[in-house]
Amino acid sequence: GAVVSQHPSWVICKSGTSVKIECRSLDFQATTMFWYRQFPKQSLMLMATSNEGSKATYEQGVEKDKFLINHASLTLSTLTVTSAHPEDSSFYICSASRTSTDTQYFGPGTRLTVL
Amino acid sequence: GENVEQHPSTLSVQEGDSAVIKCTYSDSASNYFPWYKQELGKRPQLIIDIRSNVGEKKDQRIAVTLNKTAKHFSLHITETQPEDSAVYFCAASKEGTYKYIFGTGTRLKVLA
Repeated sequence: GAVVSQHPSWVICKSGTSVKIECRSLDFQATTMFWYRQFPKQSLMLMATSNEGSKATYEQGVEKDKFLINHASLTLSTLTVTSAHPEDSSFYICSASRTSTDTQYFGPGTRLTVL
Repeated sequence: GENVEQHPSTLSVQEGDSAVIKCTYSDSASNYFPWYKQELGKRPQLIIDIRSNVGEKKDQRIAVTLNKTAKHFSLHITETQPEDSAVYFCAASKEGTYKYIFGTGTRLKVLA
């Protein structure tokens, strides 16, 4: 149990376009989902926390209008990178937990490359 | 702000030897400490975790110890194998926010 999927696994887009990344909990209901960004050989940096049915809570320095997060159901959260720029290129990983106190289970990540 | 320091950043051990990775956290309210293993280009996988009401936890070759007074916790891997080679991340979380604050990672290389 506790399987999390992410789609797509990789995406290449042009500057100025928007990209949507999906995170799904396949065999459990996720009250809370988290979105992270990871640069090569670096740690995971939390971008935002989303709870089903409410607005996401963004970490300091993360632009909420650029990184749109929607957690419309207990099994799906989406991250949309709007007006993407090359500096947005990164590995984006989501995680999900059954309750706010539970262990986080990570998705396989999405590698975004903005040309 | 909240901070988790992790040492060493890289660690090489001979196959069969033990490996120890240490983390120190700043927020005394932290009460949950998971450890994740991440292979190149893959997702972090939970390998062991410990809560603040326990001082030590063991799962086969992996153990974690927690010293709440000193605010540090350690990962111990015994009888290391080449497949243990990966990046290991510690994290700290506290009730109320449930966010993970990750350490900077340790790249473990087990030499055959």
